[in-house]
Amino acid sequence: NAGVTQTPKFRILKIGQSMTLQCTQDMNHNYMYWYRQDPGMGLKLIYYSVGAGITDKGEVPNGYNVSRSTTEDFPLRLELAAPSQTSVYFCATQLAGGLTSSYNEQFFGPGTRLTVL
Amino acid sequence: AQSVTQLDSHVSVSEGTPVLLRCNYSSSYSPSLFWYVQHPNKGLQLLLKYTSAATLVKGINGFEAEFKKSETSFHLTKPSAHMSDAAEYFCVVSDSSSNTGKLIFGQGTTLQVKP
Repeated sequence: NAGVTQTPKFRILKIGQSMTLQCTQDMNHNYMYWYRQDPGMGLKLIYYSVGAGITDKGEVPNGYNVSRSTTEDFPLRLELAAPSQTSVYFCATQLAGGLTSSYNEQFFGPGTRLTVL
Repeated sequence: AQSVTQLDSHVSVSEGTPVLLRCNYSSSYSPSLFWYVQHPNKGLQLLLKYTSAATLVKGINGFEAEFKKSETSFHLTKPSAHMSDAAEYFCVVSDSSSNTGKLIFGQGTTLQVKP
């Protein structure tokens, strides 16, 4: 099993360009998340999805869009890239909700390092 | 609202000495708490988690953490540091106000291990 995979690993964008960060999982997990990590900071939630066809905003959604047409894929779209979006982006999955169950562990992908110049 | 405060941004220890990384949390509900580790240029790996079972939680690589409700703390410890423990450590609380699994991260503690 590959787990959680993210592509690309690195990307440099010019201001105003757009791109899609890909996230795919083969764990059959229902919940998926996108985080960004700025230097010296913890992760902040951008968007999340509790199942195919369902998405919702996290803490820092502005400038991003997501879709969830399948259980496996959760792409993150950047429109009109800005320098403030320079960050490392992590995708994560979780089997389901249930705060006190063994389900509530998130598994992280290796990250995409994005620079906007 | 839930929040997490990691009390030290940087901790330096010598190899073979104990490690203590401090974390306080704020939660209106019974929290789920986690410690994740991030090695340089890598993703995050779960070290251990507390989900209202035993208050002393044992994790991977010899780490453990104790949930203390009276002190709202969840400090991470290890008896003897190894060079491979050098990494960034995040204390994390699960948003227990909903069933969405959303995590709230502390700002991280960089652990340096000196030979």
